[in-house]
Amino acid sequence: DIQMTQSPSSLSASVGDRVTITCRASQSISNYLNWYQQKPGKAPKLLIYVASSLQSGVPSRFSGSGSGTDFTLTISSLQPADFATYFCQQSYSNSYTFGQGTKLEIK
Amino acid sequence: QVQLVESGGGVVQPGRSVRVSCAASGFTFSTYAMNWVRQAPGKGLEWVAVISYDGRNKDYADSVKGRFTISRDNSKNTLYLQMISLRAEDTAVYYCARDVGLEVAGTVVRWFDLWGQGTLVSVSS
Repeated sequence: DIQMTQSPSSLSASVGDRVTITCRASQSISNYLNWYQQKPGKAPKLLIYVASSLQSGVPSRFSGSGSGTDFTLTISSLQPADFATYFCQQSYSNSYTFGQGTKLEIK
Repeated sequence: QVQLVESGGGVVQPGRSVRVSCAASGFTFSTYAMNWVRQAPGKGLEWVAVISYDGRNKDYADSVKGRFTISRDNSKNTLYLQMISLRAEDTAVYYCARDVGLEVAGTVVRWFDLWGQGTLVSVSS
């Protein structure tokens, strides 16, 4: 199975900061990489698909990049609503593996 | 309103069975593949199973293969997950998720664009 590893596991930042979260695949997955945001007690929400495509309705401060094994999710200027947990997901293989998550907390 | 609503969770004894459901509305259910994803308390997301739009093709995570069965009834716009021989480690919130596929250069890229609110299955004696 393809393993997905996110870093860091947790991150403290302030409103207005630029934040980058990394996701690494155990083998090349081309650009078959999606990003989700999850708030406590809520279902995950799709942010980015196919590595860099912004889901409709998602603010433009979110962006994704990468291909092969290394990917990043960037939030250009943190807003209060962005404090949440973020997960990457590969769809290269049928197992649709998720990363372990990155919890973004207020500094 | 485009939505997915899960139901059927609860407390189940180890070794017993339960079926959870996911009712879809507001979109053409029969044209989408669907998935189950679970999240143990305080843990990350684990993909569980996928079923094709017509129900002919199914795939499962190794952790549930042989114990869980995904199915769908397109006439009722409903997705199911039958779980047998339940273990404590199956305790989780179970989400259904709509699978969007896009063909790009001869392959299909996929993502989950719509999720239900989840239903908690707690396996405990």
